[in-house]
Amino acid sequence: GNSVTQMEGPVTLSEEAFLTINCTYTATGYPSLFWYVQYPGEGLQLLLKATKADDKGSNKGFEATYRKETTSFHLEKGSVQVSDSAVYFCALSYNNNDMRFGAGTRLTVKP
Amino acid sequence: DAGITQSPRYKITETGRQVTLMCHQTWSHSYMFWYRQDLGHGLRLIYYSAAADITDKGEVPDGYVVSRSKTENFPLTLESATRSQTSVYFCASRALDRGGTEAFFGQGTRLTVV
Repeated sequence: GNSVTQMEGPVTLSEEAFLTINCTYTATGYPSLFWYVQYPGEGLQLLLKATKADDKGSNKGFEATYRKETTSFHLEKGSVQVSDSAVYFCALSYNNNDMRFGAGTRLTVKP
Repeated sequence: DAGITQSPRYKITETGRQVTLMCHQTWSHSYMFWYRQDLGHGLRLIYYSAAADITDKGEVPDGYVVSRSKTENFPLTLESATRSQTSVYFCASRALDRGGTEAFFGQGTRLTVV
C-alpha cells in the first residue's frame, strides 16, 4: 500500500545551519507530495507541495523536489532560524480521500 | 470566523463515557476527515466523509462513530471511551471536488481518558 517514511528525529541544529529532512514514499502511479509543519499547540499547516515528477515546491526558504526515480521528496532549507522549530510531516495523496503521513520529524533550532 | 474550528481544545473524560468532538468548516469543502496523532505514528485516519450523509472508515475506525448531516459539520463520537483513545484529534477538510489537493487542519483536540 501507499506509505511515507521520513527520517526519525529529533533534529537539533544551530541557527543558520543547513537543514535536510529525508522523506521517501511507496506508491503506485503519481501521487501529489506535501510537507506540512506543526508549530506547538497548533494544527498542521501546508508548507509546500509538488504534484508531478521533477516539480519543486518552495515556501519560506524551504524547498523539496519530487524525485520519481528515487521516490523521494526531501525537505531542505539553507539557513534555519529559531522560528523554524516545529514538527515536519511528509505526506502523499492522490485526489481522493487517502492522504498518508509520515511519523513526523521534530526540529529544534538553537540560537 | 472563516476556516476550520474544533471544540473543545482540551477534554478529560473517564473510561466508559461517551464524548463527542466537534468540527466545523466554513469553506463548504466536500471532504472532511478525522485523524488521531500519536507519538511515533504520525497521523492516522479514523473516518472521512465525501459529502453530507456519506461517511466511510479510515485506517483506525474501531470505537468511533461519525455523522455528517450538514456539509459544514463533522462530529466524532467515542461511544465508550478507553485509555487507548487518549490522543490528539485533528479534523481536516479538502476541496477534492474542486481540484484542490491540500488538506486544511483544525487546531486539534487533546483528549485524555482516565
